[in-house]
Amino acid sequence: EAQVTQNPRYLITVTGKKLTVTCSQNMNHEYMSWYRQDPGLGLRQIYYSMNVEVTDKGDVPEGYKVSRKEKRNFPLILESPSPNQTSLYFCASNTLGLAGEEDTQYFGPGTRLTVL
Amino acid sequence: AQSVTQPDIHITVSEGASLELRCNYSYGATPYLFWYVQSPGQGLQLLLKYFSGDTLVQGIKGFEAEFKRSQSSFNLRKPSVHWSDAAEYFCAVGAGNTGKLIFGQGTTLQVKP
Repeated sequence: EAQVTQNPRYLITVTGKKLTVTCSQNMNHEYMSWYRQDPGLGLRQIYYSMNVEVTDKGDVPEGYKVSRKEKRNFPLILESPSPNQTSLYFCASNTLGLAGEEDTQYFGPGTRLTVL
Repeated sequence: AQSVTQPDIHITVSEGASLELRCNYSYGATPYLFWYVQSPGQGLQLLLKYFSGDTLVQGIKGFEAEFKRSQSSFNLRKPSVHWSDAAEYFCAVGAGNTGKLIFGQGTTLQVKP
């Protein structure tokens, strides 16, 4: 089954304690992305990657890091989490360049993060 | 700048009534447009998408949307709402060949029995 998986689904942590949210896709997609969802703001892109070892900032990258060492995995790293990073996080993937399928993103189930 | 606006934050309709959720976008080129639905505690599910061609697109769960270039709109419609349609709905525009999606703020749909 084609899917995007995220772990953990729920996480409560304290300020300053480094954490990683993993994301994996089994569709051989080149493009992967992280979004955060906040009430009244919709989803905003944090970082994206267009292929292995190619990453770039989205609209709200401050306080986050990513890496893309393998095509299927795209972890989100919070080196020193702060309470304003309490949010619902989504990983997404899609393929590029295929007519009719370009830009259709497949989303993971979400990770609800609380930073105390 | 590219943007998506969903003017209605919250909509309540009676079960069996028709539904229209509004979406306006700002984008310089021909847009790729999407509607996603998020049920409580769930992830995002794609309802339908517009890339080109026929401006009236059909999606899953009986939803349809119409692309109107002159109005920069992509409104979502359903002729008869079911209680299970209660959810949050997001309109999004694809920002070209980058894979990035720009989302609207979302519209929460409540269905009255």
